[in-house]
Order: sequence, then C-alpha cells, then structure tokens
Amino acid sequence: AQSVTQPDIHITVSEGASLELRCNYSYGATPYLFWYVQSPGQGLQLLLKYFSGDTLVQGIKGFEAEFKRSQSSFNLRKPSVHWSDAAEYFCAITYAGGTNNDMRFGAGTRLTVKP
Amino acid sequence: DTGVSQDPRHKITKRGQNVTFRCDPISEHNRLYWYRQTLGQGPEFLTYFQNEAQLEKSRLLSNRFSAERPKGSFSTLEIQRTEQGDSAMYLCASSRDRSGRGSYNEQFFGPGTRLTVL
Repeated sequence: AQSVTQPDIHITVSEGASLELRCNYSYGATPYLFWYVQSPGQGLQLLLKYFSGDTLVQGIKGFEAEFKRSQSSFNLRKPSVHWSDAAEYFCAITYAGGTNNDMRFGAGTRLTVKP
Repeated sequence: DTGVSQDPRHKITKRGQNVTFRCDPISEHNRLYWYRQTLGQGPEFLTYFQNEAQLEKSRLLSNRFSAERPKGSFSTLEIQRTEQGDSAMYLCASSRDRSGRGSYNEQFFGPGTRLTVL
C-alpha cells in the first residue's frame, strides 16, 4: 500500500533563510504527490502537485518541489522563508485511478520561523 | 465567495452523547468530502458525496458515523454515542467535478470543527 513519511516533526528556520521539508514515499509505480499547508485555525491549502512530466514542480507562495524516483522523495523547498510561512505542512500520496480511500497524508512537519 | 464554512468551530461533549456538524461548501462545487484529523497526524478520509449521493466511505468508518447531503448543497456529519477516541478535528472540503485524463479535483478545505469528548 502507498504511504508517505515526513521525517521531521518540527523545523525552525530564520526568516530569509532557505527551507527544505522532506517527504519520502512508498509506492511501486508512479505516484501522485501533493504538498498542503495548514495555518492555525485554517483548513488545508494545496501548494503544489506532481502527476507526471517535469520532475520540478512550481507551486503557490514561492514553493517548489522535486520528484526524485531514485530516492523515493518529493521534498518541498523555498529559497527565502517569510514569517507568514509558519504553519503545518503535509505531504500526501495517491495514484492514477485511486479513490479517495487511497489518499494518504503524512503526519506533517510544523514550521517555525524565527525573526 | 466565502469559501468552505463549518459550524460549530468547537464542540465539547460528554461521552455517549450525539453530535452533529455542518459543512457549507463553495456554492458551485458539487463534490464534498469529510476528513478526520487527530493530533499530530494528517487528515484521514471519512466519506465523499457527489451532489446528494454518498459515493464512497472509508473502510474504517464506524457505523456510529453518518453523513448526509440532502439537497446536494450543505452536508451534516453525525456521530452517535461519542467516545473519547472520537476527539479530533473534523474537516470538510469541496471541489468541482473535473473529468479527463490527468485531471485532479482540487479540494478546498474548511477550517474544521474541533471535537472534544470528555
């Protein structure tokens, strides 16, 4: 069965520093991969998704992610973090033809931004 | 457009009581989803509607949980005989119906209802 692992429960970065949030997946074929952000008191918002094609995916709010099949990873990056990026980030996986039952979310990484 | 709204935002109840939550999706969205999110975990799918039809339920969904979407607009999620393990955030999401190869129905999430069962 497909799954994602987010190895870092909590990350702290300084404002203006670069950011990389890790996501490792487990699935035998080509997965569909997603990154969501959840701010306090808010619902989840889709940052970006990967289905196929170009392995470097651009998203909203200046985020990007790179699909690396050889490493089974889909890490999220941002070159310069803003204080408003402080939130919980979730990686998720499903696959072509998968149902809603087949979507799996990681446990999340909480990002703190230091001034 | 006000996005997806959920009511109430917080609910505290005693074990054994019934609770009902409401979700109002984005008006032109015909798909509606319910998720549960426990502390320190990502969301877990509960059920999904297309218009008023409940098309999919989680394989793990207890029969104490029931959801309705009577007119294909708002939805309610009821939990009967609540247990302490039901304490969680209940998220609702909605999406348009996009068909076609490679299409993805992006879900827009509400702020959630936080349930505490004492």
